[in-house]
Amino acid sequence: GAVVSQHPSRVICKSGTSVKIECRSLDFQATTMFWYRQFPKQSLMLMATSNEGSKATYEQGVEKDKFLINHASLTLSTLTVTSAHPEDSSFYICSASGGGLFNEQFFGPGTRLTVL
Amino acid sequence: DAKTTQPPSMDCAEGRAANLPCNHSTISGNEYVYWYRQIHSQGPQYIIHGLKNNETNEMASLIITEDRKSSTLILPHATLRDTAVYYCIVRVGLAGANNLFFGTGTRLTVIP
Repeated sequence: GAVVSQHPSRVICKSGTSVKIECRSLDFQATTMFWYRQFPKQSLMLMATSNEGSKATYEQGVEKDKFLINHASLTLSTLTVTSAHPEDSSFYICSASGGGLFNEQFFGPGTRLTVL
Repeated sequence: DAKTTQPPSMDCAEGRAANLPCNHSTISGNEYVYWYRQIHSQGPQYIIHGLKNNETNEMASLIITEDRKSSTLILPHATLRDTAVYYCIVRVGLAGANNLFFGTGTRLTVIP
C-alpha cells in the first residue's frame, strides 16, 4: 500500500524558533499533499492543501506567513512553523494523494510539536 | 460535502462484532461514504468506502441503507488493537474534489 512518512515524529523547541516538518510519499508520486493540525481531544483540522510546484491554498484562519508550506517535488512537502509559540503546540499530520479515480489520501504518522 | 453524525463513544467486547453507525441524511448522489480510524497519537488509517452497494474488505464491512442516508461500519471480530476513533466522512469521490472533513468521530473501546 501507499506509505507516507513524516520527520521528525516528535520535536520540542523554544518559543520564537522555527521548526520544519517533512512529509514524504515513499512509494508513489503525490500530486497533492495536505497538512492537518490536531489539538488534544479534538478532531483533525485541515490547514492547507498544496499541489506540486504551486503555492499552497490555506484554510480560513490559518496564517500563511506563519505556516510556510513548500511542495517542491512529487514526493516531498515541508511545513515550517515560523516563530513558534506555545499555542502552536499540536499534532501535525500530513496526507498525500496521488490522483486516480478516488484521489485517496494516505496519511503520515504525525509530528508532535511542543513549544516551550 | 455532507455533514455526518456519529455517536461520540461505544464499547465492544473483544471478539464480538463492532457496529458503528453513521447518519448522513443530506448526502448527495455523487458522494461516497468513507471510513477512517485514528489510533491514539497516530495518523488516520483508511478502512473502507462505498457509494451505494455494501462493501467488504479484509478490515471491515460497510453497510449502506437503500436511501443512503445512513451507514454502518462493521468490524466482525473486534480486537484490542481496534480501539480507536472512527471517522465517517462523505465526499465526492472523483478526482478534483478530495478534501476530507473530519468530524468528531466515534471513540470505540474494545474491552477484554
